[in-house]
Amino acid sequence: SQKIEQNSEALNIQEGKTATLTCNYTNYSPAYLQWYRQDPGRGPVFLLLIRENEKEKRKERLKVTFDTTLKQSLFHITASQPADSATYLCARANNAGNMLTFGGGTRLMVKP
Amino acid sequence: GAGVSQSPSNKVTEKGKDVELRCDPISGHTALYWYRQSLGQGLEFLIYFQGNSAPDKSGLPSDRFSAERTGGSVSTLTIQRTQQEDSAVYLCASSLVAAYTDTQYFGPGTRLTVL
Repeated sequence: SQKIEQNSEALNIQEGKTATLTCNYTNYSPAYLQWYRQDPGRGPVFLLLIRENEKEKRKERLKVTFDTTLKQSLFHITASQPADSATYLCARANNAGNMLTFGGGTRLMVKP
Repeated sequence: GAGVSQSPSNKVTEKGKDVELRCDPISGHTALYWYRQSLGQGLEFLIYFQGNSAPDKSGLPSDRFSAERTGGSVSTLTIQRTQQEDSAVYLCASSLVAAYTDTQYFGPGTRLTVL
């Protein structure tokens, strides 16, 4: 079965630094990976999607990479701000693209 | 515009009771999904609808769980004879269609507590 693994330990960084979060998956490479942000008491919010044939995707201060050899995606936030503090979730779809399997999420804390 | 809404936001019930959770998707979205998130856990897929049909019910954890969607819009997730292990946040999401590249928009969730 498909599995998505994220570091369950919280990541604490200083404001202004780059935060890097890791998502590892098993079995076959998904056609794409999605990254979501979740704040306490709220549903996840979509951030970025990266396809398997894309090495890198950027959106403002966010950057996602996809390495099918390592079976890994990295999520970077540059010039991090306290407002970036949240839990970040990685997800992959099944073959039909109608079901997402989520990782457990990594909590990011950006300290001023 | 209006996002995905869910009701109630919180539900406390006694073990053995039935509960109904409601989801109002974004207007025009044909695909609707239900997930469950237990404390400290990732999201667990339960079921999805394309229109009114639910082609994949494999994620429902037991036959106490059922869901329906009428009119291609509102969906209800029903849990019969609730157990304490059913306590979790139940999240609903919708997307234009059920496809790889479609973004899923999530509601705020219903926090269910079974005493």
